[in-house]
Amino acid sequence: IQLTQSPSLLSASVGDRVIITCRASQGISSYLAWYQQKPGKAPKLLIYAASTLQSGVPSRFSGSGSGTEFTLTISSLQAEDVATYYCQQLNSYPHSFGGGSKVEIK
Amino acid sequence: EVQLVQSGAEVRKPGESLKISCKDSGYRFDSDWIGWVRQRPGQGLEWMGIIYPGDSDTRYSPSFEGQVTISADKSVSTAYLQWSSLKASDTAMYYCARREHTVKYDAFDIWGQGTLVTVSS
Repeated sequence: IQLTQSPSLLSASVGDRVIITCRASQGISSYLAWYQQKPGKAPKLLIYAASTLQSGVPSRFSGSGSGTEFTLTISSLQAEDVATYYCQQLNSYPHSFGGGSKVEIK
Repeated sequence: EVQLVQSGAEVRKPGESLKISCKDSGYRFDSDWIGWVRQRPGQGLEWMGIIYPGDSDTRYSPSFEGQVTISADKSVSTAYLQWSSLKASDTAMYYCARREHTVKYDAFDIWGQGTLVTVSS
């Protein structure tokens, strides 16, 4: 299963609403997770089951979608959100990742 | 608190073998899936494979099948990733991660700190 993320690079201002899309090449129900990776660090789980916020993750992050189209939304971008975001499908092996979406501050 | 602690950075020459490790400090190692993820310099995440130490059930990505071996030793709560003959293209950061897998939860929730492997002549 191929996961296509868009955009690959996003530049936004602090306080902006940011939306990242992840499209699957075939239906994956809600078996989708989102991760945040900051430079030089291991990825961190943000959302699982497409829309459930991992414990401790700020509520400005949210996920939605099912089937083949999914979104990660940051409701009000903060400086500490600068990172690359990845989606991952866990519907079937191999549990592929999307190509990543890098978020920068304008 | 569950932690995954990976072995340190390695430098090898092409053709050499290597085995890196990932120790699980939790109490349920043999009932967790442990996966491996590659990240080449400046590139994205690539899912390599996963093992269930309880019964050694192992799944590989077709891209990595035959190129690496994933194993686990329950007695020391450690998972391994090994190469028999390294290539320069294996230069990357390698992460292990625990897959939390229940009816309502499926994701890599705990990650190791990464092991940098450099292959150079």
